[in-house]
Amino acid sequence: KNQVEQSPQSLIILEGKNCTLQCNYTVSPFSNLRWYKQDTGRGPVSLTIMTFSENTKSNGRYTATLDADTKQSSLHITASQLSDSASYICVVRGGGSYIPTFGRGTSLIVHP
Amino acid sequence: SAVISQKPSRDICQRGTSLTIQCQVDSQVTMMFWYRQQPGQSLTLIATANQGSEATYESGFVIDKFPISRPNLTFSTLTVSNMSPEDSSIYLCSVIRMLGSTSVQETQYFGPGTRLLVL
Repeated sequence: KNQVEQSPQSLIILEGKNCTLQCNYTVSPFSNLRWYKQDTGRGPVSLTIMTFSENTKSNGRYTATLDADTKQSSLHITASQLSDSASYICVVRGGGSYIPTFGRGTSLIVHP
Repeated sequence: SAVISQKPSRDICQRGTSLTIQCQVDSQVTMMFWYRQQPGQSLTLIATANQGSEATYESGFVIDKFPISRPNLTFSTLTVSNMSPEDSSIYLCSVIRMLGSTSVQETQYFGPGTRLLVL
């Protein structure tokens, strides 16, 4: 069964600090992996998309890594801002299907 | 990018009633989906909305409870029928636009969601 597990479930950090969110998946065959940011009361917005051959991809202060061998991904947030407070969702799509598998998300709170 | 709007943005409904949620996309898209997100949970796919034909439902969701229409490539509706408090959730419309033939060229967008509370 395709699964996406995220950790930690929630995280509280101080403004300006860095943090790393983890995603482990069992989706096979693998097509792509996305990280989404979902603000409270809003729909998810894509941050990065990575395919099998990509190890790292950055989008501003967000850097995603992918290890397709161990089926792990991470999202690193640098110099956190209050506006980073949101849920971060890891989404993995398998080959041959448009239906992705969603993780439960990591709830990040950035305190001033 | 694709701009997706949903109506209503939120509603409070009585048990036993039905609510129809509308999803409008600003341009033609390949695929449209309806998701449910319960508090503290991940997104769960309800169904794929097919233009001009019956929607394709995921396990655990049936047409009688969640009838879906998609009369054209930019519009779809989801009805939550005979509601109970367990239907309280956020309902999200999502679309996929293919920019090319490879998976990296697909982009999935989400609407702002409809917050439903059933009393």
